[in-house]
Amino acid sequence: DQQVKQNSPSLSVQEGRISILNCDYTNSMFDYFLWYKKYPAEGPTFLISISSIKDKNEDGRFTVFLNKSAKHLSLHIVPSQPGDSAVYFCAASVMNRDDKIIFGKGTRLHILP
Amino acid sequence: GAGVSQTPSNKVTEKGKYVELRCDPISGHTALYWYRQSLGQGPEFLIYFQGTGAADDSGLPNDRFFAVRPEGSVSTLKIQRTERGDSAVYLCASSEAGTSGPSTDTQYFGPGTRLTVL
Repeated sequence: DQQVKQNSPSLSVQEGRISILNCDYTNSMFDYFLWYKKYPAEGPTFLISISSIKDKNEDGRFTVFLNKSAKHLSLHIVPSQPGDSAVYFCAASVMNRDDKIIFGKGTRLHILP
Repeated sequence: GAGVSQTPSNKVTEKGKYVELRCDPISGHTALYWYRQSLGQGPEFLIYFQGTGAADDSGLPNDRFFAVRPEGSVSTLKIQRTERGDSAVYLCASSEAGTSGPSTDTQYFGPGTRLTVL
């Protein structure tokens, strides 16, 4: 059973608009959440993270929101750019236990010109 | 500086054969991880090394899979009697994680080795 779920396999967004990628998790022990970006034939690249003591973390065009009660997080990219076209993985871990990261299946983001 | 490197980039083998996949982590990174990504899935944790020792090998699917990191740097993932279901991209990652315990240090991934078992 998937502990980290990304229910949208793909998403298309117009260049310049906001991209919103969603993620749900089931394990209430998770207290650290990450987003990774992956281009074809490359390994995943760390994008942004958030710990459970926060509900928002912002880094430039990227903002991650965490709703602990709903066990839901989202990644907002604004404005979306062509180079943002990639697969985005939501991931989660339990701090102070081990560094094992549990990944979702990913969402493929297409930025349309 | 150099990132995480993995060799070979592609490996095609026949069912029943033995394969070794190599990972060179970022210099100075004490923590090393192996993941496996099957088609349409996210990376799946296999094993985590802190220095030379396997701190967590709970993700290894069965005893055909084994990994070593004898000098605390390069790691080799070994798969015996390969099966078609082993076909996947095998990803390696490293982080600076210190010896005082787990941390949330960023894991840097290599490009992966695509293993195809015919």
